[in-house]
Amino acid sequence: QSALTQPASVSGSPGQSITISCTGTSSDVGGYNYVSWYQQHPGKAPKLMIYDVSNRPSGVSNRFSGSKSGNTASLTISGLQAEDEADYYCSSYTSSSLGGVFGGGTKLTVL
Amino acid sequence: QVQLVESGGGLVKPGGSLRLSCAASRFTFSDYSMSWIRQAPGKGLEWVSYISSSGTTIYYADSVKGRFTISRDNAKNSLYLQMNSLRAEDTAVYYCARGCTNGVCYRYWGQGTLVTVSS
Repeated sequence: QSALTQPASVSGSPGQSITISCTGTSSDVGGYNYVSWYQQHPGKAPKLMIYDVSNRPSGVSNRFSGSKSGNTASLTISGLQAEDEADYYCSSYTSSSLGGVFGGGTKLTVL
Repeated sequence: QVQLVESGGGLVKPGGSLRLSCAASRFTFSDYSMSWIRQAPGKGLEWVSYISSSGTTIYYADSVKGRFTISRDNAKNSLYLQMNSLRAEDTAVYYCARGCTNGVCYRYWGQGTLVTVSS
């Protein structure tokens, strides 16, 4: 199973907005509305931030939003804060393995 | 708060075996699918295996198919991963994760257990 494609790094200043892309194929991102996003701080377990493309679990700030167009999903973080600095991973259901596939991860730096 | 606690990691030689466990609490374990996800040192996340709430549906990543076996005991609120024929590339932190109530995602994660395959 090939990993989904994410940029290795993105950066932004406090208060700004950033977007992280996640590109797959019609067998995963493009074929199903089952894209999720995870935040991982160093040494910690991942945390679910967005599920089913654009839904936020309870307790997640509304500064985090998700969308999808074709084979590419996106995570947008508005009003950047220092605590948002972390690694972000996208994931999708894939018909290739009938399981899951992750992106390679994106390191977000808050300048 | 949902709790997932992995155990069973450690150092094992190539070709060896290891059994990971994940103890679940503070939710109705038998209602949810579970998955194992791993992360090699300094690398990204890799989905390993999925098991449905009843245990009747199971999927594996190609990288572990035929070597790893996922199972669960709903009476004991526990998830397992039997890992055989281990290779150096299986070295990683292994997380157990609970499925979401709605949708396809990993809602809660354990703290992970480190598996090191080395001679």
